Parts: sequence; C-alpha cells; structure tokens
Amino acid sequence: GAGVSQSPSNKVTEKGKDVELRCDPISGHTALYWYRQSLGQGLEFLIYFQGNSAPDKSGLPSDRFSAERTGGSVSTLTIQRTQQEDSAVYLCASSFGPRVVEQYFGPGTRLTVT
Amino acid sequence: AQRVTQPEKLLSVFKGAPVELKCNYSYSGSPELFWYVQYSRQRLQLLLRHISRESIKGFTADLNKGETSFHLKKPFAQEEDSAMYYCALKGGGSNYKLTFGKGTLLTVNP
Repeated sequence: GAGVSQSPSNKVTEKGKDVELRCDPISGHTALYWYRQSLGQGLEFLIYFQGNSAPDKSGLPSDRFSAERTGGSVSTLTIQRTQQEDSAVYLCASSFGPRVVEQYFGPGTRLTVT
Repeated sequence: AQRVTQPEKLLSVFKGAPVELKCNYSYSGSPELFWYVQYSRQRLQLLLRHISRESIKGFTADLNKGETSFHLKKPFAQEEDSAMYYCALKGGGSNYKLTFGKGTLLTVNP
C-alpha cells in the first residue's frame, strides 16, 4: 500500500509569513509523529498524536508552532510568523501504535524561509 | 533525560573494508535501540533493532549495556552502503518518543 505522504515537498516562504505542512499517514496507523531535521542537528521530535488522546506537544520549539490531526488521520503542522531558523526538513512518521517499534517516515517537506 | 551520541559526522572507507559506526546512549532504564538509514533521495527507514538480534544487509549491532553503546558494524562495506545513518533510542514501557543522534554520513569509496 501507499506509504506516508507529505505535501508540499518544497516550500519557500518569506520571513513573517505563516505556512502549513500536511501529512497523510499510512491507513490504519494510529500514531503520528512530526520531527524536524536540521543540517548537522539530526532529528528533533516535535509532536506526537495517538488516537483520540491529547497530543504530546513537548517538542514544539515555540508557540508559533502548532499541529492538529483531524479524524485521527491527516495532520497539519502550522508555523506562524516564520523565522529563518525555522528552515529545515520537516518529517512526518506513523506507526500502528505507540508500542510498535517501527516508525514509517514520509519524504519530508523542505522549508526555506528567506 | 535520553541522549544519543554519534561521535562521527563523517566516515569514509574503501569498498571491502570493515566499517563501524559508533553510537553511545544515555538512559537510566532499559532502552530499545535502533539504527535508521537514509539513502540518497530516499526516505528514512528502519535498518535494524537490537531486540531482533538480526543482520540486515550484512549489518549487525550489539547492545552493550556496560559501555552504553550500540555500534553498527559490517565486515565488508559495499558502495551501496553509502548513506546517512542515525542511531535512535526509545525508552522502555509507554515511552513512545524516539531520540535520534545527529547522524553519521558513511561514504564507501570504490
């Protein structure tokens, strides 16, 4: 079946603008994760959704970042008033559940803030 | 707090040579350790996990709790092994977060 998909694949925006990044997880996966991949910094956990439970937002770097997951499927990561330091690849991953060890990653969205 | 350290940002070897990518971790409980790999222009994918004690594409990794290490090894590197490798740690129990190292870029030269 189809893997995790993300859109757009690339996004260039001006400093101060808002952006929305979308993630479609694998059908049937209840857990969804967002990570940020910066050059030389590895992967940084941002937020986690599991079913209808309250999301774990502990990794969000500032209140400019927010995410939602509608209907337990598609998720949107929103960055308000973007800054140059927000430039990175944003990765989404999903898994069958929190206790399942393997996370399936999407191709990522490369965000460039000019 | 969980922490994963990959001391080498870059590692270059010749085809047929042994390769070892180092990973050290910090965690107070019993962790689950993984290696993820990202080939050029491909998405990040799981390579292997310590609980499976498996060999994937000739790679193995042994969890050494005494040295808090989970080094990835392959006796004879191939050019197609060139990729970015990330070591990751998941806390035990209900801890679902994966903590990643900063990655090691492996280049296997012909």
